Amino acid sequence: DAKTTQPNSMESNEEEPVHLPCNHSTISGTDYIHWYRQLPSQGPEYVIHGLTSNVNNRMASLAIAEDRKSSTLILHRATLRDAAVYYCILRSNSNSGYALNFGKGTSLLVTP
Amino acid sequence: KAGVTQTPRYLIKTRGQQVTLSCSPISGHRSVSWYQQTPGQGLQFLFEYFSETQRNKGNFPGRFSGRQFSNSRSEMNVSTLELGDSALYLCASRTGLDEKLFFGSGTQLSVL
Repeated sequence: DAKTTQPNSMESNEEEPVHLPCNHSTISGTDYIHWYRQLPSQGPEYVIHGLTSNVNNRMASLAIAEDRKSSTLILHRATLRDAAVYYCILRSNSNSGYALNFGKGTSLLVTP
Repeated sequence: KAGVTQTPRYLIKTRGQQVTLSCSPISGHRSVSWYQQTPGQGLQFLFEYFSETQRNKGNFPGRFSGRQFSNSRSEMNVSTLELGDSALYLCASRTGLDEKLFFGSGTQLSVL
């Protein structure tokens, strides 16, 4: 499986935008880019996913580089509730079922 | 709509015993997968079931098994428990048609 590289931790001020980077230089053409986050004492929560084009939803935006070797999760206005571990995951669109290979993620600290 | 429900929330077992964990997916979801989360190894994929068939399996020993029933509910069994099996076991479901995975809050298993 193609791997992703994320910073171990990032810090942001409340109400400011946050850009969480992810490198995936070995991505293949059919790999989906997923982002999940995990708040303390909870299961992971789906944030957003994309294939080639940038994506927006009510939680965040996903900016995908033209060569697809990197992507950025954008939280437009960080709140204290956004403090979590954010995972960038590549999911292979193969016929062997559905599995997510979580890495270590980025721990986001949001300060008031 | 109710989310993914896992029971029990906490479980304490001793080495050598076996344990069965239960997962009720979101109504209408046909795919159920299981993940193990430990501080050392992070989140690791165990297996995925779709319409009662195991479609994908992670790199875990045969002591870890699962099944899915016709109503999509799933159970996971671990036999001959070892201390290293202490972990948060997370169940997740999806419709099978889209990319979003919905996680439960997990079962915290402690093996003494």
